[in-house]
Amino acid sequence: AQSVTQPDIHITVSEGASLELRCNYSYGATPYLFWYVQSPGQGLQLLLKYFSGDTLVQGIKGFEAEFKRSQSSFNLRKPSVHWSDAAEYFCAVATPGGYQKVTFGTGTKLQVIP
Amino acid sequence: DGGITQSPKYLFRKEGQNVTLSCEQNLNHDAMYWYRQDPGQGLRLIYYSQIVNDFQKGDIAEGYSVSREKKESFPLTVTSAQKNPTAFYLCATRQLMNTEAFFGQGTRLTVV
Repeated sequence: AQSVTQPDIHITVSEGASLELRCNYSYGATPYLFWYVQSPGQGLQLLLKYFSGDTLVQGIKGFEAEFKRSQSSFNLRKPSVHWSDAAEYFCAVATPGGYQKVTFGTGTKLQVIP
Repeated sequence: DGGITQSPKYLFRKEGQNVTLSCEQNLNHDAMYWYRQDPGQGLRLIYYSQIVNDFQKGDIAEGYSVSREKKESFPLTVTSAQKNPTAFYLCATRQLMNTEAFFGQGTRLTVV
């Protein structure tokens, strides 16, 4: 069964600083990978996704993520954080083919300080 | 206007009562999912369905039931057997194969 680990529960960064949120997955082959963002009391919005091909994917709001098969990782990055990026971020995996469960990590809450 | 509609946004239930959360979509997506969100635990899958009249248990199905009589609708019933139902519930849809999930705005259920 697939699983997702987000080791950082809470991260604080200064506005303008760079950001990296970690995500590790467990699955026997290459899964589909996603990053979502959630504002308090709201649903989730997709930031970016990886299915195959180029391992560096670009998303909305200036975010990017890199798939590293050797490390089973899909870390999210942003070169310069804005105060509006404060939210909770979720990494998710889905298995290609068959009955397609979408499994989420426990989330990383991002705080941005001036 | 395409999207996923969850209703109500807030729901209060007395202990021992069943309650049904609505999820309707007009995206024509095949798959629908119900997740429960608790602080620090991320999203946990309750049930999912890929076609009408078929659904599968997720990781925490005990105390919940679903139906999928129409492609557009996937209601979730929280039964009295669910011992700790207070949570934020999210419905999602997905077109099968190579696509992401889309989410509704959620229903916050509180047991009083």
